[in-house]
Amino acid sequence: DTGVSQNPRHKITKRGQNVTFRCDPISEHNRLYWYRQTLGQGPEFLTYFQNEAQLEKSRLLSDRFSAERPKGSFSTLEIQRTEQGDSAMYLCASSTHRLSYNEQFFGPGTRLTVL
Amino acid sequence: DAKTTQPNSMESNEEEPVHLPCNHSTISGTDYIHWYRQLPSQGPEYVIHGLTSNVNNRMASLAIAEDRKSSTLILHRATLRDAAVYYCILTGSARQLTFGSGTQLTVLP
Repeated sequence: DTGVSQNPRHKITKRGQNVTFRCDPISEHNRLYWYRQTLGQGPEFLTYFQNEAQLEKSRLLSDRFSAERPKGSFSTLEIQRTEQGDSAMYLCASSTHRLSYNEQFFGPGTRLTVL
Repeated sequence: DAKTTQPNSMESNEEEPVHLPCNHSTISGTDYIHWYRQLPSQGPEYVIHGLTSNVNNRMASLAIAEDRKSSTLILHRATLRDAAVYYCILTGSARQLTFGSGTQLTVLP
């Protein structure tokens, strides 16, 4: 297993376009998280899945954002009608319920630039 | 969520120990103390965690004050590859991690 992977690594789009990012977690990790990180700040939580169920959503996740995790494996994060303020690094992490302390394994992120 | 306070930046010389402090005066009895670090252009990675007792692993040591209102991450011999942003995070019942701004560690050769 090579860890959490994210695609694409970079995305440049024009304001108003829709974008979709993909996250492949570590095999058999039933928990999956999305975070957003802007320059100079720590990551901010967006949403959390346990298996295919989306159990938590941050207030940061406006109705232009939607995340899915069909079949409890990979996940997608879609941003509709992108705005310049959406420019950030989008990080995905996964963890397993088998570890009591919920160590999260992060992917390399997708850097979004909205022009 | 209980809040943590860390210095914005610290410097260390290569091959010397580094002590990274974290204050968490509002910690609750069930909060674990986690440390993650983020190397340039990478996602964060887990370093260590503890509840009450000091902890050691292959990466670092975690010293927790007796009243649990502060903790210190100890890198025993800093290398250039340890240059990163270090985050001190309290985790209670929430699954997600709440990151602050962290401490930017610079390691000087």
